[in-house]
Amino acid sequence: GAGVSQSPSNKVTEKGKDVELRCDPISGHTALYWYRQSLGQGLEFLIYFQGNSAPDKSGLPSDRFSAERTGGSVSTLTIQRTQQEDSAVYLCASSLGQHSTDTQYFGPGTRLTVL
Amino acid sequence: GDSVTQMEGPVTLSEEAFLTINCTYTATGYPSLFWYVQYPGEGLQLLLKATKADDKGSNKGFEATYRKETTSFHLEKGSVQVSDSAVYFCARRDSGAGSYQLTFGKGTKLSVIP
Repeated sequence: GAGVSQSPSNKVTEKGKDVELRCDPISGHTALYWYRQSLGQGLEFLIYFQGNSAPDKSGLPSDRFSAERTGGSVSTLTIQRTQQEDSAVYLCASSLGQHSTDTQYFGPGTRLTVL
Repeated sequence: GDSVTQMEGPVTLSEEAFLTINCTYTATGYPSLFWYVQYPGEGLQLLLKATKADDKGSNKGFEATYRKETTSFHLEKGSVQVSDSAVYFCARRDSGAGSYQLTFGKGTKLSVIP
């Protein structure tokens, strides 16, 4: 079946602008995650959604970052007033459930470049 | 804090050579352990996983054994191919309540030359 999809694949923006990144998880997966991959920091966890529960936002680096998940499916990660240090590849993943043994399946990522 | 440590790369091997990429972890409890691979220009893909001590994960000729006594999950392959050239990430996920995310190592870039 279809995997995790993300859009856009590439986004170039100017410093100070807001951006929205979209993730479509695998159908039937209740858990959804956002990660960030950058040269300096490696792969970092950002936020986690499980069903209709309140998200775990413990990995968000600042209050400029927010995310929502509508109807338990599609998720949008929003970065307000982008800064150059926000440049990275933003990865979305989903898993069937929240058990520690459940495999997380990753999307192809959105490469964000802030000029 | 809890972490995953991988051997530094890059690693360059000739085709058919033996591969080992070391990975050790620190964690309380009994985490699940994973190896992910990222081929050039592609996203992260699960390569293999092990969810309890002494489990061996295997896929595409790669193997890794969950060693609780040494807190290790080393990746091995007996004969690498040029198509194995990629970045390999070791990761763990804790078993405790509220432990949702994967914690990744920094990645090891492997280049296999003909």
